[in-house]
Amino acid sequence: GEDVEQSLFLSVREGDSSVINCTYTDSSSTYLYWYKQEPGAGLQLLTYIFSNMDMKQDQRLTVLLNKKDKHLSLRIADTQTGDSAIYFCAENPPYNTDKLIFGTGTRLQVFP
Amino acid sequence: DADVTQTPRNRITKTGKRIMLECSQTKGHDRMYWYRQDPGLGLRLIYYSFDVKDINKGEISDGYSVSRQAQAKFSLSLESAIPNQTALYFCATEEGQGSTGELFFGEGSRLTVL
Repeated sequence: GEDVEQSLFLSVREGDSSVINCTYTDSSSTYLYWYKQEPGAGLQLLTYIFSNMDMKQDQRLTVLLNKKDKHLSLRIADTQTGDSAIYFCAENPPYNTDKLIFGTGTRLQVFP
Repeated sequence: DADVTQTPRNRITKTGKRIMLECSQTKGHDRMYWYRQDPGLGLRLIYYSFDVKDINKGEISDGYSVSRQAQAKFSLSLESAIPNQTALYFCATEEGQGSTGELFFGEGSRLTVL
């Protein structure tokens, strides 16, 4: 497909792990990104992964990249209420002169 | 103070009115972007500029225009607003060539067209 796809909603219990999935469009994208949007705010870069990597870990965050399937995931360990936000994946395909293409966003709700 | 500032933060207007949304940045970045966010549709690119003399259409430019008055300022205009332009609008900056492509966003301008 032509769109960067994400599921719209995810609900998890505090302390559990969250996994947010994304299917992107172009296997030649150099970087893949995860942005976080907290309520009433703009997007902020959470983490990114270079396309020659399979995995990147940063404290509670783990990014997994499967280039063959064009699949990107973000795992948040020990999910907290402050993690409640919308998470966007994004890619920068060369055909788009390196401008980012964003997914639809996944709204993560963390309940106690 | 925010590095990327958008004004106004909220605006309600009527169909047919001209609206300007302004964006200014203190990051010294060359590249600036305007996106709109709609529920379930993510962010869609309206216009972008890689430098003061450069203006480019994004995927949904119809009904919008922009002006890059200086490196630090990029404004978005709706010449004759219509209800389906009701959305949350974001300005973003990027360092430019050689960067990792990270975008820095303003806090958004919520526009309602009645």
